[in-house]
Amino acid sequence: DIQLTQSPSSLSASVGDRVTITCRASQNINNHLNWYQQKSGKAPKLLIYGASTLPPWVPSRFTGGGSGTDFTLTISDLQPDDFATYYCQQTYSNPPITLGQGTRLDIK
Amino acid sequence: EMQLVESGGGVVQPGGSLRLSCAASGFSFEDFAMHWVRQSPGKGLEWISLITVEDGVAYYADSVKDRFTISRDDNKKFLYLQMNSLTSDDSALYFCAKEFYFRDSTRHALSVWGQGTTVTVSS
Repeated sequence: DIQLTQSPSSLSASVGDRVTITCRASQNINNHLNWYQQKSGKAPKLLIYGASTLPPWVPSRFTGGGSGTDFTLTISDLQPDDFATYYCQQTYSNPPITLGQGTRLDIK
Repeated sequence: EMQLVESGGGVVQPGGSLRLSCAASGFSFEDFAMHWVRQSPGKGLEWISLITVEDGVAYYADSVKDRFTISRDDNKKFLYLQMNSLTSDDSALYFCAKEFYFRDSTRHALSVWGQGTTVTVSS
């Protein structure tokens, strides 16, 4: 199975900051990498698909990058609504589709 | 508006069975693969199953393979998850989710999610 390792596991930031979360795959997954945002007690929300493409409902302050084994999710100009847990997901190898352990973003 | 509503969760004894349902509305259900994902209390997300369109090929995580069965009824716009031989490790919030890609079995992203139904396995 392809393992995904996110870093950091948690971080604190302030409104207006820029933060970057990384996701490393245990083997090459090309660009088959998605990012999700989950708020406590809620269903996840698709943020980025194909490593770097934003769905129409996602604001442009979210940016995805990378290919192969190393990927990033960058959030610019943090807004109060952005404080949540973020997960990466690989769909290159199916089954199983696997997810990272999550990165919790808190308000400093 | 695209919507998914799960049901069927509850408390079940170890070794028991449960069938989850997911009612879809607001999109052409028959044109999209569907997924089940679960989340144990305080833990991360775990993908557990996928069913494709038309031929309905099913894929499973190792943790549920041979115990869980995913199925779909395109006429009724329902997705199902039959869960057998349940253990405490299966206690979780179960989400159904819609595939983002239209009739594409080579790529996956989960674009619409239900609110989940809770399964508790306990004696």
